[in-house]
Amino acid sequence: GAGVSQSPSNKVTEKGKDVELRCDPISGHTALYWYRQRLGQGLEFLIYFQGNSAPDKSGLPSDRFSAERTGESVSTLTIQRTQQEDSAVYLCASSSAPGSNQPQHFGDGTRLSIL
Amino acid sequence: AQSVTQLDSHVSVSEGTPVLLRCNYSSSYSPSLFWYVQHPNKGLQLLLKYTSAATLVKGINGFEAEFKKSETSFHLTKPSAHMSDAAEYFCVVIYLEGGYNKLIFGAGTRLAVHP
Repeated sequence: GAGVSQSPSNKVTEKGKDVELRCDPISGHTALYWYRQRLGQGLEFLIYFQGNSAPDKSGLPSDRFSAERTGESVSTLTIQRTQQEDSAVYLCASSSAPGSNQPQHFGDGTRLSIL
Repeated sequence: AQSVTQLDSHVSVSEGTPVLLRCNYSSSYSPSLFWYVQHPNKGLQLLLKYTSAATLVKGINGFEAEFKKSETSFHLTKPSAHMSDAAEYFCVVIYLEGGYNKLIFGAGTRLAVHP
């Protein structure tokens, strides 16, 4: 079946531009997560959506980062006025329920390069 | 406080020999523990999960892990390494806090498999 889909797979942009990354979760999955993975580092949690509840934004590194999700569908992560330190792979994951025993299913990520 | 420590940043084995990737955790709660694998330029794939059922958990591709509460460990093993196992492996703790799933990723262990 279809997994988590992210687009674009690669994005190269100039410093100062805004970028928008998209995530299509697995159909029926109520929970959606965004992570950042910098070169040579582990995963960094950014934001978590669960159904129509208020999202957990505790991982967003600055006010240049924002994310939206309408209902239980597509999510977009927006980075405004990009900086070179924003270069990373941005991974999206979804899970079928909020319980802690539910595994997350990951997309292949968007590789973002800021020139 | 919750934490995850992957004791080896790099592990190198010969094809056909056993694999051991070590993970220790610290959790005030009853944790759910996962192992994920990440191949180059790919998202994370779930290998296996522990959710307080059997302490010996079998996953995909011949991997298994044993939950040892007394040692606070969840080491990943495989009897015989294959070249295709070369990847990065992440140990993950998930717990519920304040109604949100909280995830803690280990720093990752890069597994190299030599002919």
